[in-house]
Amino acid sequence: QSVLTQPPSASGTPGQRVTISCSGSSSNIGSNTVSWYQQLPGTAPKLLIYGTNQRPSGVPERFSGSKSGTSASLAIGGLQSEDEADYYCAAWGDSLKAWVFGEGTKLTVL
Amino acid sequence: EVQLLESGGGLVQPGGSLRLSCAASGFTFSSYAMSWVRQAPGKGLEWVSGIDTRGGTTYYADSVKGRFTISRDNSKNTLYLQMNSLRAEDTAVYYCAKWSRISSFDADYFDYWGQGTLVTVSS
Repeated sequence: QSVLTQPPSASGTPGQRVTISCSGSSSNIGSNTVSWYQQLPGTAPKLLIYGTNQRPSGVPERFSGSKSGTSASLAIGGLQSEDEADYYCAAWGDSLKAWVFGEGTKLTVL
Repeated sequence: EVQLLESGGGLVQPGGSLRLSCAASGFTFSSYAMSWVRQAPGKGLEWVSGIDTRGGTTYYADSVKGRFTISRDNSKNTLYLQMNSLRAEDTAVYYCAKWSRISSFDADYFDYWGQGTLVTVSS
């Protein structure tokens, strides 16, 4: 199954802004909205962004999503130690009639 | 409060079968599509299967097509995953996820996840 491409790791210091990229194709990101999930160590994934740039209630405003063509991005502003987690992007794939997930990015707060 | 509680995981030999269940509560189960997503030890998330509200349309990842069957019982608010011909590479934590959709801007996403159930395929 095809996957979305994410950098394996990202890092930043407290207070910094970090961006995580997610690259796909015209049949997934290019034609559908993107969602982002945060997975803290030892826990289930949690929805962070849906509809490419919408935050569920309870998710801080410093988390934001965007998309351009076949690539999407998650930005985290004002980095905090509790943001240390794995982050995954996901989108529906029209041609495969299947969901595709990114490989995941491990965020380290230095 | 939305709750998704998976069960049925365990140790099974290669070639064996297992049926996972996901008991849902806190929302109108019959109004939402549902999905299974798995995570092999130390690896990323992999979507496995999805099902529409009535169970009439199902979707599968190529890696499980022909071996796994997703189903649901709306009268019991329960989602199932029948797994046959299991392989070592099916070893993973299996999560049940609520698949939500906002038609007005074509947004699909998984807004709630269970805690997962571990399936280990080994002799």
